[in-house]
Amino acid sequence: ILNVEQSPQSLHVQEGDSTNFTCSFPSSNFYALHWYRWETAKSPEALFVMTLNGDEKKKGRISATLNTKEGYSYLYIKGSQPEDSATYLCAFITGLRVKLVFGAGTILRVKS
Amino acid sequence: SAVISQKPSRDICQRGTSLTIQCQVDSQVTMMFWYRQQPGQSLTLIATANQGSEATYESGFVIDKFPISRPNLTFSTLTVSNMSPEDSSIYLCSVRDRGSYNEQFFGPGTRLTVL
Repeated sequence: ILNVEQSPQSLHVQEGDSTNFTCSFPSSNFYALHWYRWETAKSPEALFVMTLNGDEKKKGRISATLNTKEGYSYLYIKGSQPEDSATYLCAFITGLRVKLVFGAGTILRVKS
Repeated sequence: SAVISQKPSRDICQRGTSLTIQCQVDSQVTMMFWYRQQPGQSLTLIATANQGSEATYESGFVIDKFPISRPNLTFSTLTVSNMSPEDSSIYLCSVRDRGSYNEQFFGPGTRLTVL
């Protein structure tokens, strides 16, 4: 059974704070790791698709790193803004199956 | 990318009734996926819907409880049958971008509350 763990479960920060979340996944048969942002009442939106060990990706104030050997990925948000408030999901795919296995998500709330 | 719409966006239903959720995609796709997120839980795949064939259900999900239709390449429905409070969840449909390591595009979800 594939298990994807995300921590923390929720996070409340002040506007301007930088923050980071963790996604842990099985280190064997790695194919890809996805990060999604899910705002309330909207569709989950893909942030990053990460495929190579040591990958670092950046989109504006958000960046992510990937370590496939130890089975974790970090998502960083620099200078959090209220519009960053959302649930951040990671999803893991093995080379054996097509299916995405999601973590339970990290809920971020940014107070202005 | 694909634009996906779902109806209804939310509903409150009585125990024992059924609800059909519709999913419309703005382009033709071979595979559509139905997910569920129960409160505090992971987004979990219910089934994969292929046009012209029976849906493929994941372990723990059965056709009698979650019948799926896929009449064409842009539309699918998921029915939640004989509902109980445990079926209170967000239900999402999605499609896959084959060219990008299976990146998925999701609908906005249907928030279901069963009383």
